[in-house]
Amino acid sequence: ILNVEQSPQSLHVQEGDSTNFTCSFPSSNFYALHWYRWETAKSPEALFVMTLNGDEKKKGRISATLNTKEGYSYLYIKGSQPEDSATYLCAFRNYGGSQGNLIFGKGTKLSVKP
Amino acid sequence: DTGVSQDPRHKITKRGQNVTFRCDPISEHNRLYWYRQTLGQGPEFLTYFQNEAQLEKSRLLSDRFSAERPKGSFSTLEIQRTEQGDSAMYLCASSPGDLLYGYTFGSGTRLTVV
Repeated sequence: ILNVEQSPQSLHVQEGDSTNFTCSFPSSNFYALHWYRWETAKSPEALFVMTLNGDEKKKGRISATLNTKEGYSYLYIKGSQPEDSATYLCAFRNYGGSQGNLIFGKGTKLSVKP
Repeated sequence: DTGVSQDPRHKITKRGQNVTFRCDPISEHNRLYWYRQTLGQGPEFLTYFQNEAQLEKSRLLSDRFSAERPKGSFSTLEIQRTEQGDSAMYLCASSPGDLLYGYTFGSGTRLTVV
């Protein structure tokens, strides 16, 4: 059974703090890693799709890195704002896995206090 | 196109009743996915379609569950003889291709079985 682990489970920060969280996944036969942001009462929103070892992607104040050899990805938020409050999900697929099956972690719930 | 739509947003049903959910994906997207999220867990894969063909079903999808995408456009997910363990958020997503594309999710249908 393939597992995706996310840490921490939850995080409370003050507005303006920078923060980061971790997604760990099996390193063998890596194919793709997705990051999603899920705000309460809204739809999960795709942030990044990452495929190459050493890849770094950026979207505004949010960036992500990928290490496929050791099986982890970091998501960074610079200068957190209250509107960044959401659950951040990562999802993984390996070669030989189902075409339709992304395996999701349980998420990191971020709360940003003004 | 306004994104992925799911109907209803909430459903409360008595144990033993049948329920059906609908998903309208983004029209250009040929792939459609169903996921289920229970409390404290990440989304779990149920099934996916490429156009009208159902290409994979998870073992989570017991014989009480059936999904269709009759014309390769909208999809329905039916649960027969609902059980309390079916209470969950049912998420639909679509994408224009394989897992190198991020998913576009709907807002989900929250099912409560009483």
